[in-house]
Amino acid sequence: QVQLVQSGAEVKKPGASVKVSCKASGYTFTGYYMHWVRQAPGQGLEWMGRINPNSGGTNYAQKFQGRVTMTRDTSISTAYMELSRLRSDDTAVYYCARVDPFGVVIPAAFDYWGQGTLVTVSS
Amino acid sequence: QSALTQPASVSGSPGQSITISCTGTSSDVGGYNYVSWYQQHPGKAPKLMIYEVSNRPSGVSNRFSGSKSGNTASLTISGLQAEDEADYYCSSYTSSSTPPYVFGTGTKVTVL
Repeated sequence: QVQLVQSGAEVKKPGASVKVSCKASGYTFTGYYMHWVRQAPGQGLEWMGRINPNSGGTNYAQKFQGRVTMTRDTSISTAYMELSRLRSDDTAVYYCARVDPFGVVIPAAFDYWGQGTLVTVSS
Repeated sequence: QSALTQPASVSGSPGQSITISCTGTSSDVGGYNYVSWYQQHPGKAPKLMIYEVSNRPSGVSNRFSGSKSGNTASLTISGLQAEDEADYYCSSYTSSSTPPYVFGTGTKVTVL
C-alpha cells in the first residue's frame, strides 16, 4: 500500500534552517510529483512547491522563493524540503503529498499525504 | 494567486444533507474540471474525498458528492453522520505553474 512517512517534529531558533524528509513506499517513486503543503496552527492549507522526482525539477511558490529547496534521493525513494532563515510565522505542520502528473488514475489531486511534521520556530 | 473562497462553517443534524461551496475564478475552478475536496480531522493529515469535480476515490462513502457550476464548486454530504465532523478544503488546478494548485479557505462542518 502507498505510504508517505515523514521525519519527526523539529524545534528551531529564528534564522536557522530545517530539513524535513518524506519517505515513499508502495509505488514507483519517480512516477509521481511530490508536493509540499504547510498548515500554520488553526489556519488553512498553503502550497509551497513541488519536485519531479524523475528529473529533480522544481517549482516553488513565489512566497518561498530563495528560502526553500526541494530535493530527492531516488535510491531511497525519499523527498526533502529544506526551509532556511526560519521565522516565527514558519511554525506549522509541513506535509508532503503526491500527485500523478499524467492523470492516469487520479489526475490533478493530492491522493496520498504524509502524516505531517510539526516545525516550531521559537527563541 | 488568491485562495478559493469557502464558508467558514456549516452545520447540520444527523441524517441531514449539507453543501459546502468553493468559489474561484475562470483561471482555476471555472477553467478546469480538476476540483478536489479534502477532509481533515483534528491533528490528522487531509484525506482526498473527491477528485475531478465529482469522482470518489475507492473507499470513500457515496454520501459524499461533488459538482460544479461556473466558477463555483460544491461538496454535498448526505445522511450526515457524527464522523463527518471535520474541516473540509477544496482545491483546484490553476492556469499558473506556481502555484499549479490553489486551496480553499476551509470549512468547519459541525454535526449538531
